[in-house]
Amino acid sequence: GDSVTQMEGPVTLSEEAFLTINCTYTATGYPSLFWYVQYPGEGLQLLLKATKADDKGSNKGFEATYRKETTSFHLEKGSVQVSDSAVYFCALSDTYSTLTFGKGTMLLVSP
Amino acid sequence: GAGVSQSPSNKVTEKGKDVELRCDPISGHTALYWYRQSLGQGLEFLIYFQGNSAPDKSGLPSDRFSAERTGGSVSTLTIQRTQQEDSAVYLCASSSSGQGRETQYFGPGTRLLVL
Repeated sequence: GDSVTQMEGPVTLSEEAFLTINCTYTATGYPSLFWYVQYPGEGLQLLLKATKADDKGSNKGFEATYRKETTSFHLEKGSVQVSDSAVYFCALSDTYSTLTFGKGTMLLVSP
Repeated sequence: GAGVSQSPSNKVTEKGKDVELRCDPISGHTALYWYRQSLGQGLEFLIYFQGNSAPDKSGLPSDRFSAERTGGSVSTLTIQRTQQEDSAVYLCASSSSGQGRETQYFGPGTRLLVL
């Protein structure tokens, strides 16, 4: 079945540091890939998505590229802010429409 | 409405009691999903409604869990005879058509604590 693996956290960075959160997936078909973010005490918000190979999703300075050859969708940001502190979830949706999530990666950014 | 809404935002109950959690999806969205977020299990799919089709209940953890969707809009997730392991955040999401690979939009969740 489908699965998503993402790096365990917490990831602790100083403000303005470069961020990478790794995500790899296993799917039988050609899934869409998503990054969702959960700020403290809130629900999940869509951060970005990509629907086919080599697509790059981007939002709020975050980027991720759909790499079919490595089955990866790593999240990156060039300069993190304290306000980016949250839990980040990688997810996929295949022909079967429910989402399969990774376990989440907590990001802590200090001033 | 502008987004997915859920109520209550928090619920504390005693073991053995029944609880009902409500979800109001984005207007016009035909697909509705329930997920559970718990410390040990991460985010798990529970149940999926698509239009007038029979719901996909394959993620429900036991027969104590049930859900209905009235009039193709509001949904209620019911947990009977609650157990402590049911303590979790219950998230509802909706999407426009329920087709695969589609973006799902989430509500703020209901935090359930079973004492």
